[in-house]
Amino acid sequence: DGGITQSPKYLFRKEGQNVTLSCEQNLNHDAMYWYRQDPGQGLRLIYYSQIVNDFQKGDIAEGYSVSREKKESFPLTVTSAQKNPTAFYLCASSKPAGPARGEQYFGPGTRLTVT
Amino acid sequence: LAKTTQPISMDSYEGQEVNITCSHNNIATNDYITWYQQFPSQGPRFIIQGYKTKVTNEVASLFIPADRKSSTLSLPRVSLSDTAVYYCLVGDLPPNDYKLSFGAGTTVTVRA
Repeated sequence: DGGITQSPKYLFRKEGQNVTLSCEQNLNHDAMYWYRQDPGQGLRLIYYSQIVNDFQKGDIAEGYSVSREKKESFPLTVTSAQKNPTAFYLCASSKPAGPARGEQYFGPGTRLTVT
Repeated sequence: LAKTTQPISMDSYEGQEVNITCSHNNIATNDYITWYQQFPSQGPRFIIQGYKTKVTNEVASLFIPADRKSSTLSLPRVSLSDTAVYYCLVGDLPPNDYKLSFGAGTTVTVRA
C-alpha cells in the first residue's frame, strides 16, 4: 500500500528545543515538500526537494532545516530560531512530469505544539 | 506567481450540485489548474487538474474557459461527507519551477 507517512501525529516540545519531523514515502516520487498550515489558513511552503541531496527554500524557510539523503525520506527540523513553531506540518510528494504534473500526495500531518 | 481568488464559504444541501469558481487573471501560459480537498486535521487530497476546456473524473468536473482567467469546480450531487475546504491552485511543480500558492480556500458546508 503506497503512501506518505509522517510521525508522530502529535508532538509537544519546550521552547528552545530543536525538533525533527519525519516524512517517508514509498511512491518512488522524486520531489518532496514541506508545508506549514496555521488555523483557518492555507498551506505555506517551507522547503522542497526535487532530487536526493538537493533542496530549495520555500516562502517561509527561516528557522527550519531539511535534508534529503534518501529518495524516500525528507525530514524537517524545526529549530529554536523559528519564532512561532506551533502549527500543523504537512509533507507531500509528487510524480515526475507527466499528465498529472500538478498532483501532490500529502501525508496525514504532524501537529506540533511548542510551549 | 498567479494569484487566485475564490469565495470564502458556500453552503449547500445534500443531493445538490456545488460550483466553486476561482479567478486567476494572471495565469501563465504553462500553468496548470489544480483543485484539492481538505478535511480538518488531514492532508489535502487531489481532486482534479486541467489546462483548458473541460475535464471530468469520477468525483468532479473542471470547467476552464478559453481565456483561462477563471475555472469552476463542479461537485455533482454532494453528500454530507463533501463538507470540506476546497483549494484552487494555479502553477506548476518540479521538475519545472515550483509555482504554487495555496490561498485560504473555500469552506463548503453540506447540510441534510
